[in-house]
Amino acid sequence: KNEVEQSPQNLTAQEGEFITINCSYSVGISALHWLQQHPGGGIVSLFMLSSGKKKHGRLIATINIQEKHSSLHITASHPRDSAVYICAVRGNQFYFGTGTSLTVIP
Amino acid sequence: DSGVTQTPKHLITATGQRVTLRCSPRSGDLSVYWYQQSLDQGLQFLIQYYNGEERAKGNILERFSAQQFPDLHSELNLSSLELGDSALYFCASSAPRGNNSPLHFGNGTRLTVT
Repeated sequence: KNEVEQSPQNLTAQEGEFITINCSYSVGISALHWLQQHPGGGIVSLFMLSSGKKKHGRLIATINIQEKHSSLHITASHPRDSAVYICAVRGNQFYFGTGTSLTVIP
Repeated sequence: DSGVTQTPKHLITATGQRVTLRCSPRSGDLSVYWYQQSLDQGLQFLIQYYNGEERAKGNILERFSAQQFPDLHSELNLSSLELGDSALYFCASSAPRGNNSPLHFGNGTRLTVT
């Protein structure tokens, strides 16, 4: 049983395209995190959400608590956005999605 | 640079052995989290400490243990190692605002068990 489901698993986009990654979860949570992992392995936290919407540069994250769903949007995608994006939720412990591997082609 | 320091970066050891991974959190952060990332199981939460006390527990094996010291650094001890324990082990820290604080990750320790 997966407490967190992400889609798509893999995504290839042309530079400049608008990208959406989706995350659905089945447990009660206090916060949802979007993480970015580059090929070198390091993990960076992009957003932490408990409600509503957050924006940072070209990245936007939204969460709908009632529907237990979050989306990560990347506007005007760039090859440097190529990475694995991971959704994580904090309930009584952390649960992780399996990640979305994004490749942006110049 | 996240401010979280993990040592060592790489560790190669044999089955049955015991290793200790170390994590120094960002200055001022009271919470330390340990995660395991393996190829077949993805990221998994192991355990959280807050100011020296265990706060939350995830999928941590009985062969694994952790602690957080008075200076807030943390150690993850892995014993009776098996081939399947080969993974990247990440530490993260967060500010003292309960469970809803952004996470700051270290660069990880890559453990290889042969």
